[in-house]
Amino acid sequence: DQQVKQNSPSLSVQEGRISILNCDYTNSMFDYFLWYKKYPAEGPTFLISISSIKDKNEDGRFTVFLNKSAKHLSLHIVPSQPGDSAVYFCAASARSSNTGKLIFGQGTTLQVKP
Amino acid sequence: DTAVSQTPKYLVTQMGNDKSIKCEQNLGHDTMYWYKQDSKKFLKIMFSYNNKELIINETVPNRFSPKSPDKAHLNLHINSLELGDSAVYFCASSQDIFLTGINSPLHFGNGTRLTVT
Repeated sequence: DQQVKQNSPSLSVQEGRISILNCDYTNSMFDYFLWYKKYPAEGPTFLISISSIKDKNEDGRFTVFLNKSAKHLSLHIVPSQPGDSAVYFCAASARSSNTGKLIFGQGTTLQVKP
Repeated sequence: DTAVSQTPKYLVTQMGNDKSIKCEQNLGHDTMYWYKQDSKKFLKIMFSYNNKELIINETVPNRFSPKSPDKAHLNLHINSLELGDSAVYFCASSQDIFLTGINSPLHFGNGTRLTVT
């Protein structure tokens, strides 16, 4: 029973255009959402997060949008750069559980073409 | 200096063997984790230790036993390895258990690819 799903295994965009990565979740107890980026042969690294009390968080070229009613979040990268090519993981946590449990999706591989 | 380091990077072994993966973090974090990335690419938490105390123990076969000799180390020992144990295992650490993104992100090691033949 996957509580966090990324239904697009891969995405290819042209350099300079917008990349939109999507994520759906089922557990309404989740109150914090994060995106991690992973290069081959490396561990995931934290990219950006959003609390459930917000619907948007922006950090430079990266913006995360949260739609709580639809249980959906998305990561926008504008403009996309070849160095953004990586696997992007969506993750969610329920801080009230006080366990540090982070639930990850299965990742979306982004390829940005020069 | 690598913040979270795990060894070995690759581990190839036969069914039935016992093996260990070591993990060390130099970030001064209180919480450490083991995650497993299976063939379907999902990253699933296995164990979590906070100040050397086990706080998360997911539905993992008891052939897997974590050991935390101190806050900076969390090793994973696997007995009687099976084919289905083949995966990439990631160690991670965080400042606390709340994982609130930028204030307490999860720091991952580079993974150990375990192949059981």
